[in-house]
Amino acid sequence: EVQVLESGGGLVQPGGSLRLSCVASGFTSGLTFGMYAMSWVRQAPGKGLEWVSGISGSGTNIYYAESAKGRFTISRDNSKNTLFLQMNSLRAEDTAVYFCAKEWGVLPAAMVQYWGQGTLVIVSP
Amino acid sequence: QSVLTQPPSVSAAPGQKVTISCSGSSSNIGDNYVSWYQQLPATAPKFLIYENNKRPSGIPDRFSGSKSGTSATLDITGLQTGDEADYYCATWDTSLSAGVFGGGTKLTVI
Repeated sequence: EVQVLESGGGLVQPGGSLRLSCVASGFTSGLTFGMYAMSWVRQAPGKGLEWVSGISGSGTNIYYAESAKGRFTISRDNSKNTLFLQMNSLRAEDTAVYFCAKEWGVLPAAMVQYWGQGTLVIVSP
Repeated sequence: QSVLTQPPSVSAAPGQKVTISCSGSSSNIGDNYVSWYQQLPATAPKFLIYENNKRPSGIPDRFSGSKSGTSATLDITGLQTGDEADYYCATWDTSLSAGVFGGGTKLTVI
């Protein structure tokens, strides 16, 4: 079974930056990390799930929620089975648990087969 | 305000059936597959239904999904206390070029 593990969360001041990482493992039967889209989904304290950004298996197709456009950058290194989310100009409303998400297919579709346990980002003075 | 609309809460007795609705539009549910997730307290969400009505390996057939037009539903039969959780629908929005989630529905088994 595929596992995804996030890291990089923490406390950051408003206007600051943070880079989240996610390593995926457990691919078998000729299947590889690069065959699947990956996404980031966040959940603010006591709130629902919010899709943030997604990237195709090859990295060619990249998509962002309106709340992330211009501030967040998603990328991936298929040679290292790793997904990244560079977050700049952080705001208090970005405070949330950020989940790394392996999608079902090669393109992002908000169809998340495997979820990480999440990494907490707190934006506060 | 979520793009997809779910009832905030539903409840039913053990052994009964509950239906959770998810309403969208022609650019999201009407144009793309719907998936459903179960989130138990303080845990990561769990993949419950994909491509409108398919169950991943290990998901019991008590859980079923359907889609009609711009709406989708999740049915849970034979309710158990362990089914108490938040349930979310999700899909792709072609106009937004982004994923969208419903606001979530809290299921209480009373």
